[in-house]
Amino acid sequence: NAGVTQTPKFRVLKTGQSMTLLCAQDMNHEYMYWYRQDPGMGLRLIHYSVGEGTTAKGEVPDGYNVSRLKKQNFLLGLESAAPSQTSVYFCASSYGTQETQYFGPGTRLLVL
Amino acid sequence: SQQGEEDPQALSIQEGENATMNCSYKTSINNLQWYRQNSGRGLVHLILIRSNEREKHSGRLRVTLDTSKKSSSLLITASRAADTASYFCATAGSYNAGNNRKLIWGLGTSLAVNP
Repeated sequence: NAGVTQTPKFRVLKTGQSMTLLCAQDMNHEYMYWYRQDPGMGLRLIHYSVGEGTTAKGEVPDGYNVSRLKKQNFLLGLESAAPSQTSVYFCASSYGTQETQYFGPGTRLLVL
Repeated sequence: SQQGEEDPQALSIQEGENATMNCSYKTSINNLQWYRQNSGRGLVHLILIRSNEREKHSGRLRVTLDTSKKSSSLLITASRAADTASYFCATAGSYNAGNNRKLIWGLGTSLAVNP
């Protein structure tokens, strides 16, 4: 089992460009999450999904959109990247909203 | 909003010593989880302790939970250089407290184990 995978691993964007981060899990988890991690800020939840076709806003959703068209995939989109979105992005999945979360290796994004 | 607060923020010890880090939280919980993050990597789950449990062990890890004090501690015994990482606690709010049902993360303790 691959667990949770993320693509790409690293990306440089110019301000205003768009991109999509892909997260895939092979554990048949209902719940999936997108976090961003910044120095001194810990993990902050961007969006999450409680099942295929559902999405919900987390703590810091502005500037991001998500989609969960298939149970195993959770996409995070940046429509118009800003330097404030420079961060490391982690995807995670779990059986239940309060159960163990399994994390991907992260995507390092630099917005110039 | 942060529920768990780890203490200390940073800890530096010698190989072979024990490392203790603490997590305090504000509202009642269903469970508390500890995760490890090696530099540049994703978080890895270590232990989940439920509100009706007081202590759990996993190899060299020992977690305690004191719900009366709203605190938990993670003890790593006989530390190794490979234990160098950041350690995070995450709390799952209880149903009857009207808490957010999602995990709430602390800011982490950075542990350095020197060879």
